[in-house]
Amino acid sequence: AQTVTQSQPEMSVQEAETVTLSCTYDTSESNYYLFWYKQPPSRQMILVIRQEAYKQQNATENRFSVNFQKAAKSFSLKISDSQLGDTAMYFCAFILPNTGNQFYFGTGTSLTVIP
Amino acid sequence: EAQVTQNPRYLITVTGKKLTVTCSQNMNHEYMSWYRQDPGLGLRQIYYSMNVEVTDKGDVPEGYKVSRKEKRNFPLILESPSPNQTSLYFCASSGRLAGGHGTQYFGPGTRLTVL
Repeated sequence: AQTVTQSQPEMSVQEAETVTLSCTYDTSESNYYLFWYKQPPSRQMILVIRQEAYKQQNATENRFSVNFQKAAKSFSLKISDSQLGDTAMYFCAFILPNTGNQFYFGTGTSLTVIP
Repeated sequence: EAQVTQNPRYLITVTGKKLTVTCSQNMNHEYMSWYRQDPGLGLRQIYYSMNVEVTDKGDVPEGYKVSRKEKRNFPLILESPSPNQTSLYFCASSGRLAGGHGTQYFGPGTRLTVL
């Protein structure tokens, strides 16, 4: 079975500080893609960052970066210089190419940025 | 503008009254999916489609139907809604993994309440 675990239901961070959201996953496949999605109060799902499992280099996107540890099946998200607009629910997810379009999501981490 | 649209955005209905939530994408994506989001459970996939006339069950398909007669449209049908289907529903689409890297683009969500 494929699973995604986000063990931190809620987190908070001071504005301008750095925060790391954790995510672990389980799959027996070796080829997959990992994602972090952000869901602000508007409820829109917004892609934050993606990582191909076959790439060793960690993905970065402006203030967002990941720490991808394939052997440990860990995919944490680091947000640097946190901004008030980063307040949102964050979901970790992965897709297996061989299954076509079946996505697996974690239960989410609610992040609050404190002014 | 590339987008996924859903209608209606909000719906309150009564048990047993058939309803359809429409979903349309303008990105010529092969893959489309439906999810439901419930507190503490994250997003769970209901159905997905890899192309026209090709659909498959996700993790929670009971009580739902879908069809994919055209590439751009993927409606979700509740033949006899029940209160446990009260939820926030998302439609999503993605291109082929080779080019589109499997990134899911989400619609704005449909808040459904079944009384």
